[in-house]
Amino acid sequence: GAVVSQHPSWVICKSGTSVKIECRSLDFQATTMFWYRQFPKQSLMLMATSNEGSKATYEQGVEKDKFLINHASLTLSTLTVTSAHPEDSSFYICSAAARTVNYGYTFGSGTRLTVV
Amino acid sequence: ELKVEQNPLFLSMQEGKNYTIYCNYSTTSDRLYWYRQDPGKSLESLFVLLSNGAVKQEGRLMASLDTKARLSTLHITAAVHDLSATYFCAVVVGKLTFGTGTRLTIIP
Repeated sequence: GAVVSQHPSWVICKSGTSVKIECRSLDFQATTMFWYRQFPKQSLMLMATSNEGSKATYEQGVEKDKFLINHASLTLSTLTVTSAHPEDSSFYICSAAARTVNYGYTFGSGTRLTVV
Repeated sequence: ELKVEQNPLFLSMQEGKNYTIYCNYSTTSDRLYWYRQDPGKSLESLFVLLSNGAVKQEGRLMASLDTKARLSTLHITAAVHDLSATYFCAVVVGKLTFGTGTRLTIIP
């Protein structure tokens, strides 16, 4: 149980374009979802927290107009990287928390974004 | 601001040896997690520790938590090559904050 599906696994896009990453909880309702970014050989840094039906809360230094997060249902959250630049190239990982998953955080498989 | 530090950052050890990874955190928390990450992959949950003195074991890995000292350890017993990975601890204080990570390499 408690599976989070993240798509795509990898994406290459041109500078200036937008990319959408989806995160779905398959067998539970995710009241809260988290988006992390991980640069090579570094730890995971929380970008934002989203609760279903409300606006996302962004961490300090994360541009909310650049990284658009939508959590329209209890099973789906999306991250859209707008006007992507090479410095946005990173590994993006979503995570979900649910009341039914005892103290657990379930992570998606990650998306490798390369902006050229 | 919560700080979560791990040491060592890099660890190269021979197969069959024992070693311990340490995780120190700066603010009181009653929940600590250990994760494993293989290159190019996402996180695999290893342990969740919920109370002072908690100890959990799975195979060659054993994790413990001392909330008073704000310290968790991940002990590796008789290391095998398959354990080569990066290990992260993470602490919940409002949100999940990850440690710096320990890159473990097991040498034959």
